Amino acid sequence: DQQVKQNSPSLSVQEGRISILNCDYTNSMFDYFLWYKKYPAEGPTFLISISSIKDKNEDGRFTVFLNKSAKHLSLHIVPSQPGDSAVYFCAASGTGNQFYFGTGTSLTVIP
Amino acid sequence: KAGVTQTPRYLIKTRGQQVTLSCSPISGHRSVSWYQQTPGQGLQFLFEYFSETQRNKGNFPGRFSGRQFSNSRSEMNVSTLELGDSALYLCASSWTSGRAGEQYFGPGTRLTVT
Repeated sequence: DQQVKQNSPSLSVQEGRISILNCDYTNSMFDYFLWYKKYPAEGPTFLISISSIKDKNEDGRFTVFLNKSAKHLSLHIVPSQPGDSAVYFCAASGTGNQFYFGTGTSLTVIP
Repeated sequence: KAGVTQTPRYLIKTRGQQVTLSCSPISGHRSVSWYQQTPGQGLQFLFEYFSETQRNKGNFPGRFSGRQFSNSRSEMNVSTLELGDSALYLCASSWTSGRAGEQYFGPGTRLTVT
């Protein structure tokens, strides 16, 4: 049973525009969320995280938004750059310290 | 600082065989977690080891096992391989257990079972 879902397998965006990647979760006990970026032949790299006590966290061009009532989080990349082309995974954790990952969204930024 | 290393990077085995994968964490990291990545399933948590003790275990059959050594290096073993075990196996290390420590992933071991 997939507790973290990324319903868009792929996304294409023009360079300079905003990329919005979405993630939904089902477990209301999740209170810590992360985004990872993965290039081919490499392991995932941590990008940004957010705790459930916040609804927004920014780090440079990357912003994560959390809507607890909707059990939804999103990652905004502004402006998008060709080097951002990668697979993005969202992950969630509750009190059990175990991370649950989504299936990933492949982002392509078109120059 | 050297990153997380995994050996081997690629492996081909036949059904019924067993396999051992190795993970060397970042120096100073005491937690190692293992994940299985398959198309359509994302990363599925296998187990986590911290200071040589298994802390958490995912929903995988007993054919999947692991251990951690005193130097924090970890091994994962899969016995009686099945075709469905073909996947990318990733390990991640962090300085402490759970979400208090950010996880750093290795490049993975690509296992193909024929």
